[in-house]
Amino acid sequence: ETGVTQSPTHLIKTRGQQVTLRCSSQSGHNTVSWYQQALGQGPQFIFQYYREEENGRGNFPPRFSGLQFPNYSSELNVNALELDDSALYLCASSLKFGAETQYFGPGTRLLVL
Amino acid sequence: SQQGEEDPQALSIQEGENATMNCSYKTSINNLQWYRQNSGRGLVHLILIRSNEREKHSGRLRVTLDTSKKSSSLLITASRAADTASYFCATDRNDYKLSFGAGTTVTVRA
Repeated sequence: ETGVTQSPTHLIKTRGQQVTLRCSSQSGHNTVSWYQQALGQGPQFIFQYYREEENGRGNFPPRFSGLQFPNYSSELNVNALELDDSALYLCASSLKFGAETQYFGPGTRLLVL
Repeated sequence: SQQGEEDPQALSIQEGENATMNCSYKTSINNLQWYRQNSGRGLVHLILIRSNEREKHSGRLRVTLDTSKKSSSLLITASRAADTASYFCATDRNDYKLSFGAGTTVTVRA
């Protein structure tokens, strides 16, 4: 157990809907990253937040957005869901910006119908 | 696109045997990390090797890094049923955003 929690564990949505996924970082960690893992693939970096500011983004469209709160918990929002958004969404926290080791949560599995 | 590629895609071994998997990557890195994932759940950090290191050990794990060939290997010795999982290499290009390969699925038979 890493101390990183995510909710919900599973979610089913229909195409066009919006979804919010939540992540609670390990205590004391001020940096959080979000990854998308399609079935049979490795995780793909979506974006990273440090002290409530977005700090880098992967190759994902603007309909993927995020927030980090003062207590360092985080949200991933996806608008206008597409079938290809079906994946496991992982958040990972690290002790400080630049820390090399990231601690992953158990993930939220999203199915878009 | 994914920075790393693992080889083989899948590996089946008998309990007690060693398991070796390889990772190749494309650009220069700050460090390379190996993660384990059980049954499509969260990733567990196994070991980190920096670009100026060549070999690192942690328990039954041995990792090597050859920056001239842009490749790394993970060796699991004396495998156990609990080692059944997917293993991913991830590269950090000094921007703290990990780039993962597609992974190697390891099955340890009793």
